Amino acid sequence: SQTIHQWPATLVQPVGSPLSLECTVEGTSNPNLYWYRQAAGRGLQLLFYSVGIGQISSEVPQNLSASRPQDRQFILSSKKLLLSDSGFYLCAWSDGGNTEAFFGQGTRLTVV
Amino acid sequence: ILNVEQSPQSLHVQEGDSTNFTCSFPSSNFYALHWYRWETAKSPEALFVMTLNGDEKKKGRISATLNTKEGYSYLYIKGSQPEDSATYLCAFKRGTSYGKLTFGQGTILTVHP
Repeated sequence: SQTIHQWPATLVQPVGSPLSLECTVEGTSNPNLYWYRQAAGRGLQLLFYSVGIGQISSEVPQNLSASRPQDRQFILSSKKLLLSDSGFYLCAWSDGGNTEAFFGQGTRLTVV
Repeated sequence: ILNVEQSPQSLHVQEGDSTNFTCSFPSSNFYALHWYRWETAKSPEALFVMTLNGDEKKKGRISATLNTKEGYSYLYIKGSQPEDSATYLCAFKRGTSYGKLTFGQGTILTVHP
């Protein structure tokens, strides 16, 4: 069966520090991969998605970047965090087509 | 910009009430519409994936309908229970943006005993 791992679960980082959140999927190949953020009181904002290795689509201009170094690995990064980067980050995968998305457990990021 | 709108933003109902939410999306280049339930301290979980105009899906007391020509979907909950309290999210996938899954802002449902 397929599983998705996302870590860390919580993170407190100072302004200006770098960020690396990792997401890996097991039990499938060539998944679509997603990074979403829930800012306070809002729904899920799509940050990045990827349909294959090295293929990254960015949805909003921001202080973040994403990479897909391996088929089932998706990394969210920042060189210098801003206070506004605080939020709840979710990684997800789907098989594409008409299938549903499956989410990781999320990372609560607080930038102080 | 792909707008997926949900209404209402929040809803309080009494146990036993039936309720419904709306999701509106662009009607052009439709590919799929998803509904998810997101409970506190958990990850979102899919309820339905709908692809055909006129689709109706049902899971227990929850059902959904889809109108792709006018760009809306309804989610219905019959006889709401406190355990139905959650955020309900819809997500839209367009045929011309392969892989992209865009969520609405969600409807927060609170069911009071």
